[in-house]
Amino acid sequence: DAKTTQPTSMDCAEGRAANLPCNHSTISGNEYVYWYRQIHSQGPQYIIHGLKNNETNEMASLIITEDRKSSTLILPHATLRDTAVYYCIVRVPTGTYKYIFGTGTRLKVLA
Amino acid sequence: DVKVTQSSRYLVKRTGEKVFLECVQDMDHENMFWYRQDPGLGLRLIYFSYDVKMKEKGDIPEGYSVSREKKERFSLILESASTNQTSMYLCASSLSTDTQYFGPGTRLTVL
Repeated sequence: DAKTTQPTSMDCAEGRAANLPCNHSTISGNEYVYWYRQIHSQGPQYIIHGLKNNETNEMASLIITEDRKSSTLILPHATLRDTAVYYCIVRVPTGTYKYIFGTGTRLKVLA
Repeated sequence: DVKVTQSSRYLVKRTGEKVFLECVQDMDHENMFWYRQDPGLGLRLIYFSYDVKMKEKGDIPEGYSVSREKKERFSLILESASTNQTSMYLCASSLSTDTQYFGPGTRLTVL
């Protein structure tokens, strides 16, 4: 799996968009970008994933650059409940392979 | 919505006890996983199962065993609990499409 680099921490004002970047310069053509988050003392929660097109669901949007070397997760209107550690993972969807979570970005949403 | 449940959120056991952690998913997923999560070490795969009665060792299977008698249920067994097995235990499930959905976690303390 390709290595990812994320900022250690970020703050965001409540109600504003939170933009979380991820660098994955060694990504290969068949690797997808996945985003998960983990709220303190809970299990990781799936947010979104994509290959090369931008994706949006009810939780977030995923913007992947044209060269696929980086991506941004966007939470359009952050709330206090979005305070969590956000993990960016790149992997080939094999179905039975383990997930490797890096250190992630600790997002704090401020009132 | 995918739902993965784990039998306990918090558990305290004594050294040498046999411990059962149970995980149930309601989405007919073929694949199920057990991880442990420790500060600074990230997520580590203990065992996974790709079908009923099938299991594969992950990265750290020593001291653990698993059982999958029904498709929806995957149990992790600590044959003789030790203090170094104090950890957060996370269960996950997936279809062959690979997105893994995690349970809420069980925080196990072995005294």
